[in-house]
Amino acid sequence: NAGVTQTPKFRVLKTGQSMTLLCAQDMNHEYMYWYRQDPGMGLRLIHYSVGEGTTAKGEVPDGYNVSRLKKQNFLLGLESAAPSQTSVYFCASSSGATGAGSPLHFGNGTRLTVT
Amino acid sequence: AQSVTQLDSQVPVFEEAPVELRCNYSSSVSVYLFWYVQYPNQGLQLLLKYLSGSTLVESINGFEAEFNKSQTSFHLRKPSVHISDTAEYFCAVSEFGSYKLSFGAGTTVTVRA
Repeated sequence: NAGVTQTPKFRVLKTGQSMTLLCAQDMNHEYMYWYRQDPGMGLRLIHYSVGEGTTAKGEVPDGYNVSRLKKQNFLLGLESAAPSQTSVYFCASSSGATGAGSPLHFGNGTRLTVT
Repeated sequence: AQSVTQLDSQVPVFEEAPVELRCNYSSSVSVYLFWYVQYPNQGLQLLLKYLSGSTLVESINGFEAEFNKSQTSFHLRKPSVHISDTAEYFCAVSEFGSYKLSFGAGTTVTVRA
């Protein structure tokens, strides 16, 4: 009963390096999301996907790219990391749109530090 | 556009005392409302949600929230808190038909013995 699994749990990058965060869900959910959490700012939506092969921009998409090649996976990429991307990243999934009342199911987060 | 304001960033409270966490939202259309809880070093978990019907909704662990359309509020309450309720609480809103859930900045509740 894994739910939403994020890898890795922690990562330290140097400025300019690249990396990919992996999110996997086993609930057959159509919708997947990437959020970042910063102190005093709550969670902000980076990108989301409403189904396999689709992606869309959220509130803070700059500096990030995503892909949803398989329904169960949603990848978040940083092509050239910057210190401003130091944050805790959460992946979430839902069976339907939140605007239809479907709640989000969250992973346990990835803590990323960019030096 | 939808937005959420949580009016208190930190709420210290003694064990067995009541607590209220205030949440106001802004939207020009109808909304769904959610409260999530985040325990230390974990992801967020759904605490309760308001979709329609009775304006008072309850969770399984004693929390309740009341939807007030005229005041655009969705305050969370618990009549008697436990040490285990120490966590960060997030209010969230989604407009009808939207794909996006907008979160408030969060309220940290610290329960002391």
